[in-house]
Amino acid sequence: DAGVIQSPRHEVTEMGQEVTLRCKPISGHDYLFWYRQTMMRGLELLIYFNNNVPIDDSGMPEDRFSAKMPNASFSTLKIQPSEPRDSAVYFCASRDGWGNQPQHFGDGTRLSIL
Amino acid sequence: SQQGEEDPQALSIQEGENATMNCSYKTSINNLQWYRQNSGRGLVHLILIRSNEREKHSGRLRVTLDTSKKSSSLLITASRAADTASYFCASTQGGSEKLVFGKGTKLTVNP
Repeated sequence: DAGVIQSPRHEVTEMGQEVTLRCKPISGHDYLFWYRQTMMRGLELLIYFNNNVPIDDSGMPEDRFSAKMPNASFSTLKIQPSEPRDSAVYFCASRDGWGNQPQHFGDGTRLSIL
Repeated sequence: SQQGEEDPQALSIQEGENATMNCSYKTSINNLQWYRQNSGRGLVHLILIRSNEREKHSGRLRVTLDTSKKSSSLLITASRAADTASYFCASTQGGSEKLVFGKGTKLTVNP
């Protein structure tokens, strides 16, 4: 079975540019999570969706970040404009059902903002 | 804020030895999960222990949970070089769906 698929795997772009990260969750999973991982702050939850509806975006650092889930098989995380401090690895994860189920992670997008 | 804090931050052992990692958390939890992350990859779920359980086994993994001390431990027995990875504990609390991760223990198993 295909796992969570993220693209691109690596992104290098200049400060001020728009960045779009993409995620395809596991088919049938009704929860989708976006995380950011840095050495300093560890793994932080940015936002999560249930049945394509954003439930909690309190982890989104500022208005430059936005996330959408137009359908059950696709989600995007957008940063506009990007800044060097946004450099991190961004993970998408999906889950089937309520909190006692494991989350399944993609292999992440390593983002570098110059 | 970090819910779980792993200890030690780094651990280096020889193949065949056991590895023990500890996790402490601050508030009441619904369950506690352990994940593994290989370098350059996403996290992989290892095991989940519910708040009313005290011990759980899965293959070479043994997890304990002490809710009175707000702590959990992960034991990997007969370690292999392939166990080299970072290990994270994570927990949910109350009615929240949020899984809050610690900063992880980096385990190196030397062949």
